[in-house]
Amino acid sequence: DAGVIQSPRHEVTEMGQEVTLRCKPISGHNSLFWYRQTMMRGLELLIYFNNNVPIDDSGMPEDRFSAKMPNASFSTLKIQPSEPRDSAVYFCASSSSVVGGFTDTQYFGPGTRLTVL
Amino acid sequence: AQSVAQPEDQVNVAEGNPLTVKCTYSVSGNPYLFWYVQYPNRGLQFLLKYITGDNLVKGSYGFEAEFNKSQTSFHLKKPSALVSDSALYFCAVSYSGSARQLTFGSGTQLTVLP
Repeated sequence: DAGVIQSPRHEVTEMGQEVTLRCKPISGHNSLFWYRQTMMRGLELLIYFNNNVPIDDSGMPEDRFSAKMPNASFSTLKIQPSEPRDSAVYFCASSSSVVGGFTDTQYFGPGTRLTVL
Repeated sequence: AQSVAQPEDQVNVAEGNPLTVKCTYSVSGNPYLFWYVQYPNRGLQFLLKYITGDNLVKGSYGFEAEFNKSQTSFHLKKPSALVSDSALYFCAVSYSGSARQLTFGSGTQLTVLP
């Protein structure tokens, strides 16, 4: 298996521009997670989906952030408009949830390093 | 609520010596504990997890971790460190009420000196 695939790997944009990050989870996994990693705040969960449905988006910092999962093999995280404080590494992870699901192992993609100038 | 603490930002150890990376946790129910490793410019890689059963869990690359319920700890260990073990290590916890959410510690940078 190719693992979790994220694109682009690096993104440099200017303040005010729209940014779209993409994720393809591991085939057969039914849970997908978006994380943000910064030096100041560490690794933060932004949102997660189960069976393509958003379950908890309480970690999304503000309305400028939105995430979608139109099908089981694709998800996007969009920032519009972007700001310099959004600069971070954004990770996507997926897992195969069973009933109860609390013990699932999450598998991470390589991340997208976002720089907003 | 759940939380996890990694009290050491940095751990240095000589190659060939045993290593320990510390982790303590706080949850409202039965904990499910994970260790991940992150190499530079890479995503997090799963090392091992404790769900139930034997308190000593063996994982990838010769790592193991011991679950200690009385001390609410889940320290990562390896009998003989390699230079290639140098990386950032994260402890994470979930529990039966967390609906699949993992809470990660702040990370410990392990440096193995040749």
